[in-house]
Amino acid sequence: GAGVSQTPSNKVTEKGKYVELRCDPISGHTALYWYRQSLGQGPEFLIYFQGTGAADDSGLPNDRFFAVRPEGSVSTLKIQRTERGDSAVYLCASSLTFVGDRGVSGANVLTFGAGSRLTVL
Amino acid sequence: LAKTTQPISMDSYEGQEVNITCSHNNIATNDYITWYQQFPSQGPRFIIQGYKTKVTNEVASLFIPADRKSSTLSLPRVSLSDTAVYYCLVGERYSSASKIIFGSGTRLSIRP
Repeated sequence: GAGVSQTPSNKVTEKGKYVELRCDPISGHTALYWYRQSLGQGPEFLIYFQGTGAADDSGLPNDRFFAVRPEGSVSTLKIQRTERGDSAVYLCASSLTFVGDRGVSGANVLTFGAGSRLTVL
Repeated sequence: LAKTTQPISMDSYEGQEVNITCSHNNIATNDYITWYQQFPSQGPRFIIQGYKTKVTNEVASLFIPADRKSSTLSLPRVSLSDTAVYYCLVGERYSSASKIIFGSGTRLSIRP
């Protein structure tokens, strides 16, 4: 697609429920990132994928959070047993990467979606 | 990962030039400097990227001194629509994807 698409744009759930947030990256972008942003704060890194594999998941706050990207394109962030503190905007971004010695203009430049606002009551 | 430091907030007026400086004392040889802009209810948007000296595009200019320990984002003749949060990031450009960390950014407010 033309940009990074995230669904749903808004999700209201109750404490203890399970939530899935979806990200559809730009076609051809091999790297995909998830961030979480609270009001007045910068985006907080959660996890990034290179292709299908999670290259770095060190930002996931605990084992209630999990993300997958089974075919190297669409990714789903899954949150189990949601807590009120999970309320935030969840941002997805993708970037073009490459293999080899020479760079591609715009490598490691992130294109973000509009985010999914999660509210846990 | 090189840490960056930038002012929490800045105010200016329409038509003025705004310069936001970012410190990155531990920048590595292969690191590039990238700036993003974020409006309310939107994800951050890439503005400009540079390695040394000066880079200019249709939106902004980026000035990087020879020691590369800081950089300055320059927005010419700002308008109300430039009110946003601006993030400075440092990281390798020519590598496979890597963890990209955002700080708290600089909240720029433009007044009429």
